[in-house]
Amino acid sequence: QSALTQPASVSGSPGQSITISCTGTSSDIGNFNSVSWYQQHPGKVPKLIIYEVTYRPSGVSSRFSGSKSGNTASLTISGLQAEDEADYYCSSYSTSGTPVIFGGGTMLTVL
Amino acid sequence: EVQLVESGGDLVQPGGSLRLSCAASGFNVNTNYMTWVRQAPGKGLQWVSVIFSGGSAYYADSVKGRFTISRDKAKNTLFLQMNSLRDEDTGIYYCARNLFGYDFYYMDVWGKGTTVIVSS
Repeated sequence: QSALTQPASVSGSPGQSITISCTGTSSDIGNFNSVSWYQQHPGKVPKLIIYEVTYRPSGVSSRFSGSKSGNTASLTISGLQAEDEADYYCSSYSTSGTPVIFGGGTMLTVL
Repeated sequence: EVQLVESGGDLVQPGGSLRLSCAASGFNVNTNYMTWVRQAPGKGLQWVSVIFSGGSAYYADSVKGRFTISRDKAKNTLFLQMNSLRDEDTGIYYCARNLFGYDFYYMDVWGKGTTVIVSS
């Protein structure tokens, strides 16, 4: 069982918006703005798409946005495109054991 | 061009040792925080270790006491010495550069990974 909880899969049609949740505890997401999100296409290397809850690295599409409320962080992808089909992982700093923890990953299918 | 290239992955028996290398180009590993992340076959990402620019390091609970992260300034290379290997250490090992100017939680440049298989 992963330290952060994500849905195993989500899906959406091209042009729609989807949101992926990432639930932690007060030891991680709830008390720290150290949430990040990674995109990983099959057989490819992970790519940082959101850091510090809401910030996008240079070159990442503005269609990706992040937010946080309480112990849950969220990644929203607007205007879904076929190329967005990938696995998405959340991550956070944690004061409980291992200092950086990941979610189990969410597979996004673009219908 | 900023790049990371891992090597050293292999098939090793349980209890054995392996040393992974990660050669960096386009930036200096000594002035950046550097991280190892692994991914078991068909599974998610798992953070392994980080080394700070000052030389101190943190480890995941699952590898503490068995793995050691280090770097070579002259070779601009990051290493991961892995001892007492277990079946559950099997996976792709990625080295990554941490986002400069921030704490060690974010990895913005990743290598393509090297595969470690622990099996008898």
